[in-house]
Amino acid sequence: QKEVEQNSGPLSVPEGAIASLNCTYSDRVSQSFFWYRQYSGKSPELIMSIYSNGDKEDGRFTAQLNKASQYVSLLIRDSQPSDSATYLCAVPDRGSTLGRLYFGRGTQLTVWP
Amino acid sequence: DVKVTQSSRYLVKRTGEKVFLECVQDMDHENMFWYRQDPGLGLRLIYFSYDVKMKEKGDIPEGYSVSREKKERFSLILESASTNQTSMYLCASSIQPRGLAETYEQYFGPGTRLTVT
Repeated sequence: QKEVEQNSGPLSVPEGAIASLNCTYSDRVSQSFFWYRQYSGKSPELIMSIYSNGDKEDGRFTAQLNKASQYVSLLIRDSQPSDSATYLCAVPDRGSTLGRLYFGRGTQLTVWP
Repeated sequence: DVKVTQSSRYLVKRTGEKVFLECVQDMDHENMFWYRQDPGLGLRLIYFSYDVKMKEKGDIPEGYSVSREKKERFSLILESASTNQTSMYLCASSIQPRGLAETYEQYFGPGTRLTVT
């Protein structure tokens, strides 16, 4: 069983601020990490993948990976009320060839105007 | 775009009924997954399938079974529905991992909110 821990939240930031979401994982050999966004009452939507150490930027979103510390984060710059959602971190089960992902419990983000 | 569809958005069933939840994907994905999601508990894997007629138990298979007769369709069966199976049920699909990190990406259907009374 892989452990994926996320900061429990809820996280509340004002519009325009940077929201920082964190995720730690127990499996040292993990090579890829995924961030999903889930609006209330909707299904998770993949918004970011990161596979190597360092930063990956996509518009207002930046994923940061530090494999030595087993830590991955998602930064949302210029946060908007439409970013209000639950963000799930996911890590593959590399011990299996069957494609399973382990999900954290999610961090609920509220961006207030 | 990957499209994963689920048979119902909302479903209300009575205790003891046999319930079928269906999931269809149109991207020729090998893997399909069934999760349930409850407040405070996150996504929990019930069963997954990596090929037609092949299945693996997830973390909470008790009270559920699955069927995959065709590659594009994966059904979740509640043999005798109970109130503690009231939940949001999510189906997802992905290609078979081929040693490439991105091949683990899963795509979700819209979910079925099941209420058992």
